[in-house]
Amino acid sequence: DTEVTQTPKHLVMGMTNKKSLKCEQHMGHRAMYWYKQKAKKPPELMFVYSYEKLSINESVPSRFSPECPNSSLLNLHLHALQPEDSALYLCASSTHSGSESDTQYFGPGTRLTVL
Amino acid sequence: SQQGEEDPQALSIQEGENATMNCSYKTSINNLQWYRQNSGRGLVHLILIRSNEREKHSGRLRVTLDTSKKSSSLLITASRAADTASYFCATVSGSARQLTFGSGTQLTVLP
Repeated sequence: DTEVTQTPKHLVMGMTNKKSLKCEQHMGHRAMYWYKQKAKKPPELMFVYSYEKLSINESVPSRFSPECPNSSLLNLHLHALQPEDSALYLCASSTHSGSESDTQYFGPGTRLTVL
Repeated sequence: SQQGEEDPQALSIQEGENATMNCSYKTSINNLQWYRQNSGRGLVHLILIRSNEREKHSGRLRVTLDTSKKSSSLLITASRAADTASYFCATVSGSARQLTFGSGTQLTVLP
């Protein structure tokens, strides 16, 4: 199984809502990532989890709260978002155990719209 | 933050022609990768070239790397309509092996 799954595919939320994005992989990868991608722009790294511990937080606002319950799951909890947070949110994973493992496998993304 | 620039920003060619995309980056790297993204979808890894390699092939893909110029190119030969997508280079650096993406090239292959 070389697939990273993300749910939901689309999400529309108001600025006062609380919602969560979910990501799952069963490749035994120990590194998982959240990226944010605006239209016609490259993905921008938000968070990196390595062995279920947060290793990188790219100065992301606290209204985004990541969680890694186990090695297969990665969540992104959303609260009090702004319209400018509307974007495609991508999850990725990698083995994180050597140079050949730098390849990242991406999920299809969640298209988030904040009203 | 964005690692560097890709050019052209957009490229439109006829089916069967070759497509060349260039990528420049700013920092020292462990390796450089190319990814493809179909519209509004996730990214798919295409090819990885290590910092001590100069050229690599995979099927219709040819990648070159010039670390002295901090640049790379991706050549897609005999293009097909299905190759229509955005192509991103990405450099790997840091202890966490973060990917930092270039600005991307939108390739359109006309049937």
